Amino acid sequence: GAVVSQHPSWVICKSGTSVKIECRSLDFQATTMFWYRQFPKQSLMLMATSNEGSKATYEQGVEKDKFLINHASLTLSTLTVTSAHPEDSSFYICSATPGLAEETQYFGPGTRLLVL
Amino acid sequence: AQTVTQSQPEMSVQEAETVTLSCTYDTSESNYYLFWYKQPPSRQMILVIRQEAYKQQNATENRFSVNFQKAAKSFSLKISDSQLGDTAMYFCAFMPIQGAQKLVFGQGTRLTINP
Repeated sequence: GAVVSQHPSWVICKSGTSVKIECRSLDFQATTMFWYRQFPKQSLMLMATSNEGSKATYEQGVEKDKFLINHASLTLSTLTVTSAHPEDSSFYICSATPGLAEETQYFGPGTRLLVL
Repeated sequence: AQTVTQSQPEMSVQEAETVTLSCTYDTSESNYYLFWYKQPPSRQMILVIRQEAYKQQNATENRFSVNFQKAAKSFSLKISDSQLGDTAMYFCAFMPIQGAQKLVFGQGTRLTINP
Protein backbone atom coordinates (compact mmCIF):
# COMPACT_ATOMS: atom_id res chain seq x y z
CA GLY A 1 0.00 0.00 0.00
CA ALA A 2 0.82 3.74 0.09
CA VAL A 3 1.89 4.08 -3.53
CA VAL A 4 2.46 7.46 -5.12
CA SER A 5 2.97 7.90 -8.85
CA GLN A 6 4.36 10.78 -10.87
CA HIS A 7 3.99 11.55 -14.53
CA PRO A 8 5.99 12.11 -16.59
CA SER A 9 9.19 10.56 -15.29
CA TRP A 10 11.27 12.48 -17.82
CA VAL A 11 10.54 15.66 -19.74
CA ILE A 12 12.60 17.83 -22.04
CA CYS A 13 11.20 21.18 -23.09
CA LYS A 14 12.26 24.37 -24.77
CA SER A 15 12.94 27.51 -22.81
CA GLY A 16 9.79 29.59 -22.41
CA THR A 17 7.34 26.72 -22.47
CA SER A 18 5.29 25.40 -19.54
CA VAL A 19 5.48 21.90 -18.15
CA LYS A 20 2.92 20.11 -15.99
CA ILE A 21 3.87 17.31 -13.61
CA GLU A 22 1.20 15.11 -12.04
CA CYS A 23 1.37 13.43 -8.66
CA ARG A 24 -1.19 10.79 -7.74
CA SER A 25 -1.79 8.75 -4.62
CA LEU A 26 -2.91 5.40 -6.00
CA ASP A 27 -4.27 3.54 -3.00
CA PHE A 28 -5.06 6.18 -0.43
CA GLN A 29 -6.56 9.62 -0.17
CA ALA A 30 -3.95 12.27 0.44
CA THR A 31 -5.02 15.12 2.64
CA THR A 32 -1.70 16.82 2.05
CA MET A 33 0.81 16.65 -0.77
CA PHE A 34 4.28 18.13 -0.87
CA TRP A 35 6.53 19.17 -3.74
CA TYR A 36 10.31 18.98 -3.49
CA ARG A 37 13.20 19.88 -5.71
CA GLN A 38 16.48 17.98 -5.60
CA PHE A 39 19.74 19.09 -7.17
CA PRO A 40 22.41 16.50 -7.97
CA LYS A 41 24.04 14.99 -4.90
CA GLN A 42 22.01 17.21 -2.60
CA SER A 43 19.15 16.75 -0.20
CA LEU A 44 15.50 17.46 -0.91
CA MET A 45 14.34 21.05 -0.77
CA LEU A 46 10.67 21.59 0.06
CA MET A 47 9.01 23.91 -2.43
CA ALA A 48 5.40 23.92 -1.29
CA THR A 49 2.67 22.17 0.65
CA SER A 50 -0.76 21.66 -0.82
CA ASN A 51 -4.04 20.63 0.71
CA GLU A 52 -6.99 19.49 -1.33
CA GLY A 53 -9.25 22.36 -2.27
CA SER A 54 -7.08 25.14 -0.91
CA LYS A 55 -4.19 27.26 -2.10
CA ALA A 56 -0.71 25.88 -1.76
CA THR A 57 1.67 27.21 0.85
CA TYR A 58 5.02 28.06 -0.67
CA GLU A 59 8.38 28.02 1.07
CA GLN A 60 10.36 31.19 1.29
CA GLY A 61 12.17 31.95 -1.94
CA VAL A 62 9.92 29.83 -4.14
CA GLU A 63 8.11 31.85 -6.80
CA LYS A 64 4.44 30.91 -6.64
CA ASP A 65 3.72 32.43 -10.06
CA LYS A 66 6.43 30.28 -11.60
CA PHE A 67 5.59 27.05 -9.84
CA LEU A 68 1.81 26.70 -9.94
CA ILE A 69 0.39 23.99 -7.72
CA ASN A 70 -3.12 22.65 -7.91
CA HIS A 71 -4.50 20.03 -5.55
CA ALA A 72 -7.77 19.34 -7.31
CA SER A 73 -8.73 16.14 -5.56
CA LEU A 74 -7.69 13.91 -2.69
CA THR A 75 -5.61 11.81 -5.08
CA LEU A 76 -4.12 14.33 -7.49
CA SER A 77 -1.82 17.31 -7.25
CA THR A 78 -0.14 19.03 -10.19
CA LEU A 79 2.95 21.21 -10.42
CA THR A 80 3.20 23.46 -13.46
CA VAL A 81 6.52 25.08 -14.20
CA THR A 82 5.57 28.17 -16.19
CA SER A 83 7.86 29.80 -18.74
CA ALA A 84 10.58 27.33 -17.91
CA HIS A 85 14.23 28.33 -18.17
CA PRO A 86 17.40 26.24 -18.06
CA GLU A 87 17.89 27.05 -14.37
CA ASP A 88 14.59 25.27 -13.67
CA SER A 89 16.16 22.02 -14.81
CA SER A 90 16.10 19.71 -11.82
CA PHE A 91 14.60 16.60 -10.27
CA TYR A 92 11.13 17.24 -8.87
CA ILE A 93 9.64 14.87 -6.31
CA CYS A 94 6.20 14.81 -4.78
CA SER A 95 5.05 13.14 -1.61
CA ALA A 96 1.68 12.50 -0.06
CA THR A 97 0.44 11.81 3.41
CA PRO A 98 -2.85 10.14 4.29
CA GLY A 99 -3.27 12.30 7.37
CA LEU A 100 -5.76 11.12 9.97
CA ALA A 101 -2.96 10.20 12.38
CA GLU A 102 -0.82 8.76 9.57
CA GLU A 103 1.90 11.34 9.18
CA THR A 104 4.41 9.39 7.13
CA GLN A 105 5.11 10.92 3.74
CA TYR A 106 5.16 8.52 0.81
CA PHE A 107 7.16 9.65 -2.16
CA GLY A 108 6.63 9.48 -5.88
CA PRO A 109 9.43 8.27 -8.16
CA GLY A 110 10.32 11.80 -9.26
CA THR A 111 10.34 13.72 -12.52
CA ARG A 112 13.51 14.80 -14.25
CA LEU A 113 13.06 18.11 -16.06
CA LEU A 114 15.54 19.37 -18.62
CA VAL A 115 14.95 22.81 -20.11
CA LEU A 116 16.91 23.55 -23.25
CA ALA B 1 13.96 26.35 13.31
CA GLN B 2 14.74 22.69 13.25
CA THR B 3 17.93 21.37 11.71
CA VAL B 4 19.12 17.87 10.94
CA THR B 5 22.79 17.02 10.59
CA GLN B 6 24.33 13.93 9.06
CA SER B 7 28.04 14.16 9.65
CA GLN B 8 29.09 11.29 7.38
CA PRO B 9 28.86 12.28 3.70
CA GLU B 10 30.01 8.84 2.54
CA MET B 11 30.46 5.40 4.02
CA SER B 12 31.55 2.10 2.56
CA VAL B 13 31.40 -1.39 4.07
CA GLN B 14 31.69 -4.98 2.93
CA GLU B 15 28.63 -7.10 2.31
CA ALA B 16 27.30 -8.80 5.46
CA GLU B 17 28.93 -6.26 7.76
CA THR B 18 27.04 -4.03 10.15
CA VAL B 19 27.07 -0.28 9.57
CA THR B 20 25.77 2.64 11.60
CA LEU B 21 24.76 5.96 10.10
CA SER B 22 24.72 9.01 12.37
CA CYS B 23 22.10 11.71 12.63
CA THR B 24 21.67 14.55 15.08
CA TYR B 25 18.95 17.16 15.15
CA ASP B 26 18.15 20.38 16.87
CA THR B 27 14.66 21.34 17.98
CA SER B 28 12.77 22.92 20.82
CA GLU B 29 9.76 20.70 20.17
CA SER B 30 8.98 17.94 22.64
CA ASN B 31 6.80 15.83 20.35
CA TYR B 32 7.94 14.88 16.89
CA TYR B 33 8.70 12.06 14.49
CA LEU B 34 12.01 10.95 13.09
CA PHE B 35 12.51 9.05 9.87
CA TRP B 36 15.19 7.38 7.83
CA TYR B 37 14.58 7.36 4.09
CA LYS B 38 16.64 5.54 1.50
CA GLN B 39 17.21 6.83 -2.04
CA PRO B 40 18.78 4.18 -4.30
CA PRO B 41 20.17 5.01 -7.75
CA SER B 42 16.62 4.94 -9.12
CA ARG B 43 16.06 8.06 -6.96
CA GLN B 44 12.82 6.68 -5.52
CA MET B 45 12.59 7.74 -1.88
CA ILE B 46 11.78 4.73 0.28
CA LEU B 47 10.82 4.83 3.95
CA VAL B 48 13.22 2.69 5.96
CA ILE B 49 12.09 3.27 9.51
CA ARG B 50 10.15 5.71 11.65
CA GLN B 51 10.32 6.64 15.34
CA GLU B 52 7.88 8.56 17.48
CA ALA B 53 9.70 10.74 19.99
CA TYR B 54 7.32 9.86 22.81
CA LYS B 55 8.23 6.19 22.51
CA GLN B 56 11.30 5.15 24.45
CA GLN B 57 11.62 1.84 22.65
CA ASN B 58 13.84 1.96 19.60
CA ALA B 59 12.12 1.13 16.32
CA THR B 60 13.23 -1.92 14.34
CA GLU B 61 12.38 -3.17 10.87
CA ASN B 62 14.03 -6.47 10.05
CA ARG B 63 17.75 -5.68 9.52
CA PHE B 64 17.25 -1.99 10.27
CA SER B 65 17.17 -0.56 13.76
CA VAL B 66 17.64 2.84 15.33
CA ASN B 67 19.34 4.12 18.44
CA PHE B 68 17.18 7.02 19.54
CA GLN B 69 18.69 9.17 22.27
CA LYS B 70 16.17 11.96 22.88
CA ALA B 71 18.22 13.90 25.41
CA ALA B 72 21.23 13.90 23.12
CA LYS B 73 19.00 14.56 20.07
CA SER B 74 20.60 11.68 18.27
CA PHE B 75 18.95 9.20 15.91
CA SER B 76 21.37 6.72 14.36
CA LEU B 77 20.47 3.95 11.93
CA LYS B 78 22.05 0.50 12.19
CA ILE B 79 21.98 -1.82 9.23
CA SER B 80 22.82 -5.41 10.10
CA ASP B 81 23.99 -8.06 7.64
CA SER B 82 24.29 -5.42 4.93
CA GLN B 83 23.33 -6.39 1.40
CA LEU B 84 24.30 -5.02 -2.00
CA GLY B 85 20.78 -3.66 -2.37
CA ASP B 86 21.35 -1.43 0.63
CA THR B 87 23.62 0.76 -1.51
CA ALA B 88 21.88 4.15 -1.56
CA MET B 89 21.74 7.66 -0.19
CA TYR B 90 20.24 7.64 3.27
CA PHE B 91 18.44 10.70 4.58
CA CYS B 92 17.51 11.35 8.17
CA ALA B 93 14.41 13.51 8.58
CA PHE B 94 12.54 15.28 11.35
CA MET B 95 8.86 16.20 11.50
CA PRO B 96 7.19 18.12 14.32
CA ILE B 97 3.80 16.83 15.39
CA GLN B 98 2.38 20.33 15.67
CA GLY B 99 1.99 22.60 12.70
CA ALA B 100 2.31 21.90 8.99
CA GLN B 101 4.07 18.54 9.44
CA LYS B 102 6.83 19.37 7.03
CA LEU B 103 9.86 17.11 6.82
CA VAL B 104 13.27 18.59 7.53
CA PHE B 105 15.98 16.52 5.87
CA GLY B 106 19.62 16.06 6.66
CA GLN B 107 22.28 16.35 3.97
CA GLY B 108 22.36 12.62 3.38
CA THR B 109 24.94 9.84 3.69
CA ARG B 110 26.00 7.93 0.61
CA LEU B 111 26.37 4.28 1.63
CA THR B 112 28.12 1.78 -0.60
CA ILE B 113 28.01 -1.94 0.12
CA ASN B 114 30.92 -3.72 -1.53
CA PRO B 115 30.79 -7.37 -2.60
